[in-house]
Amino acid sequence: NAGVMQNPRHLVRRRGQEARLRCSPVKGHSHVYWYRQLPEEGLKFMVYLQKENIIDESGMPKERFSAEFPKEGPSILRIQQVVRGDSAAYFCASSLVNTGAGTDTQYFGPGTRLTVL
Amino acid sequence: SQQGEEDPQALSIQEGENATMNCSYKTSINNLQWYRQNSGRGLVHLILIRSNEREKHSGRLRVTLDTSKKSSSLLITASRAADTASYFCATVNTNAGKSTFGDGTTLTVKP
Repeated sequence: NAGVMQNPRHLVRRRGQEARLRCSPVKGHSHVYWYRQLPEEGLKFMVYLQKENIIDESGMPKERFSAEFPKEGPSILRIQQVVRGDSAAYFCASSLVNTGAGTDTQYFGPGTRLTVL
Repeated sequence: SQQGEEDPQALSIQEGENATMNCSYKTSINNLQWYRQNSGRGLVHLILIRSNEREKHSGRLRVTLDTSKKSSSLLITASRAADTASYFCATVNTNAGKSTFGDGTTLTVKP
């Protein structure tokens, strides 16, 4: 998992504020995945992006959540009007190729722990 | 049950003993991966086993995959206190890029 950077590592927001989580993939990786982890649970897939494209957002809540992976710069997961239930650890992973091909792995960042007061 | 479900949920052993964790899944997969997560930390990738492989070793880790039973096991031999962590299996489904995780097995190795 060396190389995937996420910031901030900890983020505290009040209800109704916006949260922006950043993910810089391993250099050269063009595939980014976001996952959410609630306490005592496993990671739940949210969204899969390639540069400038959303490939699969089947795990993303329909409202308040959005993600982007621009041509330049990090991937951003944005949560608008946060609620207490959004409190969780958000992990980003990157891969060189689509891991559905079966030959590559996803490298995870250290996560951003969001606390909504 | 969900894809990538581990059992047991919690396992407590003495240092030096072996620890075995199991994972079951439902759909066809391209590969299955095991990760470790220390409390409050990120995930560390342990082993990737492809759907056409049956067994794989890495140091003290041994992973098996039985696609006919849709199950995998992770064996940690000669466990150490530093192995205390949560262990997750994750499946990558055919034609999809996302990983599907179970809720993990929490392993405690007592010194």
